[in-house]
Amino acid sequence: DSGVTQTPKHLITATGQRVTLRCSPRSGDLSVYWYQQSLDQGLQFLIQYYNGEERAKGNILERFSAQQFPDLHSELNLSSLELGDSALYFCASSVTSLEDTQYFGPGTRLTVL
Amino acid sequence: AQSVTQLGSHVSVSEGALVLLRCNYSSSVPPYLFWYVQYPNQGLQLLLKYTSAATLVKGINGFEAEFKKSETSFHLTKPSAHMSDAAEYFCAVSDAGGGADGLTFGKGTHLIIQP
Repeated sequence: DSGVTQTPKHLITATGQRVTLRCSPRSGDLSVYWYQQSLDQGLQFLIQYYNGEERAKGNILERFSAQQFPDLHSELNLSSLELGDSALYFCASSVTSLEDTQYFGPGTRLTVL
Repeated sequence: AQSVTQLGSHVSVSEGALVLLRCNYSSSVPPYLFWYVQYPNQGLQLLLKYTSAATLVKGINGFEAEFKKSETSFHLTKPSAHMSDAAEYFCAVSDAGGGADGLTFGKGTHLIIQP
């Protein structure tokens, strides 16, 4: 158990819908990262937040957005969902933005029908 | 831009045999390098990491990896495979000081252990 929690575990929705994925980092970690894992693209970095502020962006679509709240939990919002958004979404956390070890949560499996 | 290449999407070894999973990286600055393991329906677990200290890095579960700058490689080895090692293995790279950007992952290598 990494100490990173993600909810829900599974999510099934329809095209065009909007969903929110939630992540609670390990106790004491200030930095949260979101990754997408799909058969086509593999594991891709989406976005990083550090202590409430956006720190870095990866291959995140404009339809996707994230935020980190004062209690340091983070949410990833996915809108106007397409079939191709079906994937496993991971959250990871690390102590600070300079900490090099990221600890991954169990993931949320999103299925778009 | 950083990149990671893992040679062999599937590697099959017999139980008790040497495990060798290959990883080559590309980075414009001294990298931090990682190996993660993913068991079915689970998240990623860190096996080991290289952060410019010793070039031979020991990790959990008997795995180790050697950083070779001249070959831009960070291959993962284990002397004797166990059935429980069957999983997906990912090599990843980040720039030194590495938390500012996300990790760049290879495509993964599926390790199959034959009895």
